[in-house]
Amino acid sequence: GNSVTQMEGPVTLSEEAFLTINCTYTATGYPSLFWYVQYPGEGLQLLLKATKADDKGSNKGFEATYRKETTSFHLEKGSVQVSDSAVYFCALSSDFGNEKLTFGTGTRLTIIP
Amino acid sequence: EAQVTQNPRYLITVTGKKLTVTCSQNMNHEYMSWYRQDPGLGLRQIYYSMNVEVTDKGDVPEGYKVSRKEKRNFPLILESPSPNQTSLYFCASGPPQGFGETQYFGPGTRLLVL
Repeated sequence: GNSVTQMEGPVTLSEEAFLTINCTYTATGYPSLFWYVQYPGEGLQLLLKATKADDKGSNKGFEATYRKETTSFHLEKGSVQVSDSAVYFCALSSDFGNEKLTFGTGTRLTIIP
Repeated sequence: EAQVTQNPRYLITVTGKKLTVTCSQNMNHEYMSWYRQDPGLGLRQIYYSMNVEVTDKGDVPEGYKVSRKEKRNFPLILESPSPNQTSLYFCASGPPQGFGETQYFGPGTRLLVL
């Protein structure tokens, strides 16, 4: 079955540091890949997505590239801000007919000033 | 404003007392789904609905029921809640044009079953 593995948290960084959150996946066929973000006390919001190999998703300074050869979709940001503190979920969707998202366990990110 | 709403946001109940968590979306989405979020497990799908009167089980359906009588509403029913259903629940909706489409999540319902 499908699965998503993302790096364990929590992750604590100083403001303006470089961020990488690793995500690898196992899936049949050609999944779409997503990063969702959950700010404190809120629901999940789509951060970015990629629907085919070599696509790069980007939003709010975050980027992730769909790497089929390494089955990865790592999240990166060049300079993090305190406002980026949140829980980040990597997810995939590949069940045509049930657009179920298969999530990783989430990575809690804290940015200190 | 396009949104998914859930009620209640917080609920404390006792074992065996039936409860319903409502979910409503105003985006005319055909697809709706319920997830539960537990520490160390991420989000897991409970039930989903492809359209009105069309529902099916997700990965963890035991102890839950759903209905889809109207396009905008997708309530989650716990007929006899147990402590292992203590969790954070999210409703989601999205368009039906195959996978890859964005899903929109509600703010969550935190449930404690004593």
